[in-house]
Amino acid sequence: DVKVTQSSRYLVKRTGEKVFLECVQDMDHENMFWYRQDPGLGLRLIYFSYDVKMKEKGDIPEGYSVSREKKERFSLILESASTNQTSMYLCASSLVRAETDTQYFGPGTRLTVL
Amino acid sequence: RKEVEQDPGPFNVPEGATVAFNCTYSNSASQSFFWYRQDCRKEPKLLMSVYSSGNEDGRFTAQLNRASQYISLLIRDSKLSDSATYLCVVNTGFQKLVFGTGTRLLVSP
Repeated sequence: DVKVTQSSRYLVKRTGEKVFLECVQDMDHENMFWYRQDPGLGLRLIYFSYDVKMKEKGDIPEGYSVSREKKERFSLILESASTNQTSMYLCASSLVRAETDTQYFGPGTRLTVL
Repeated sequence: RKEVEQDPGPFNVPEGATVAFNCTYSNSASQSFFWYRQDCRKEPKLLMSVYSSGNEDGRFTAQLNRASQYISLLIRDSKLSDSATYLCVVNTGFQKLVFGTGTRLLVSP
């Protein structure tokens, strides 16, 4: 079974803090993704990575950065958290870049920025 | 216009009913299509891929109409455990998925 884990289920931070969200997958997947999910807006892609040390901007990268130093780990960084970054953050991974390949999601981190 | 549009529901149906969800997408170059299921406060999980010829998995049938840019999901003999939000998902290329906002299904006894 594919397992994608995220470092925290719930996180509360203050405005201006630097926030790290960690994601680890155990199936040697090539691709990893970060999404945020908000009511009425659905899931939106923030950043993704097809390989170690490689990153691509998604649809809403502003205010975020990422790091992929090892194949199994993909980190999302909020350099200076703001209240509009309060959201559910979901990490996903997939094996290859085939169009039909499945993305597997972690359990999500619900981040609240006060 | 949203890239992927779904009726948000909720659809309230009794056990045993048949229910259908529809979805439209705007990018005609989209390559592949999926239905994901998301339970309350859980992560999305793949329910089924959608192929041009239509495909069936037990009580679930998915159809794709590329000409109309329309995807459907039919659930027969609804179970209480089918209560969830169903996400229509379109792959616009190179694993870039675009998600609909979901259709909520409530199956009652």
